[in-house]
Amino acid sequence: AQTVTQSQPEMSVQEAETVTLSCTYDTSESNYYLFWYKQPPSRQMILVIRQEAYKQQNATENRFSVNFQKAAKSFSLKISDSQLGDTAMYFCAFMNNNAGNMLTFGGGTRLMVKP
Amino acid sequence: DAGVTQSPTHLIKTRGQQVTLRCSPISGHKSVSWYQQVLGQGPQFIFQYYEKEERGRGNFPDRFSARQFPNYSSELNVNALLLGDSALYLCASSAGVLYEQYFGPGTRLTVT
Repeated sequence: AQTVTQSQPEMSVQEAETVTLSCTYDTSESNYYLFWYKQPPSRQMILVIRQEAYKQQNATENRFSVNFQKAAKSFSLKISDSQLGDTAMYFCAFMNNNAGNMLTFGGGTRLMVKP
Repeated sequence: DAGVTQSPTHLIKTRGQQVTLRCSPISGHKSVSWYQQVLGQGPQFIFQYYEKEERGRGNFPDRFSARQFPNYSSELNVNALLLGDSALYLCASSAGVLYEQYFGPGTRLTVT
């Protein structure tokens, strides 16, 4: 079974600054995907970024990028130029390609962007 | 295009009752998954359906059941409700079994 750990329950950052959210996972699988989802107070879960485990290049989506360290089983999310709208819960999630697309989520990090 | 829709938005039930939650996937998506999110925690996987067949089941009791219809919409049923079933129930759809999932707004279930 896979486990996903987010060690930072809460974080805050000043508007326009950069923040990094941490995620570690444990698996014996070699073929998998990792995701970051954002859940604003409106509660709709929104996909932020995804990373295929077989790709060495770190994924980027505009202001969002990841640092994927496969050997260390680490998958952190960097948010650059933070905006007030980035305030939300952020969840790291793991998908084992050999088990359909069931997602295993971490416990989440609450991010507050301050003006 | 419309996203994943869920109904109802909120629901209040009494212990011992039964509840049915509904989900309509994004047009063209054939896979639907259900997750339970207890307040302050990450979502927990309950079921996945693809092409009307169950493809995965999480660690939930038999009181939880689901089905998928020919139009790919889905229902989640929970019998004999317990206080601990109070949670946000999320539905997610995807184009296939290995594709990324898109979530609906959820149904907030409160059991009193």
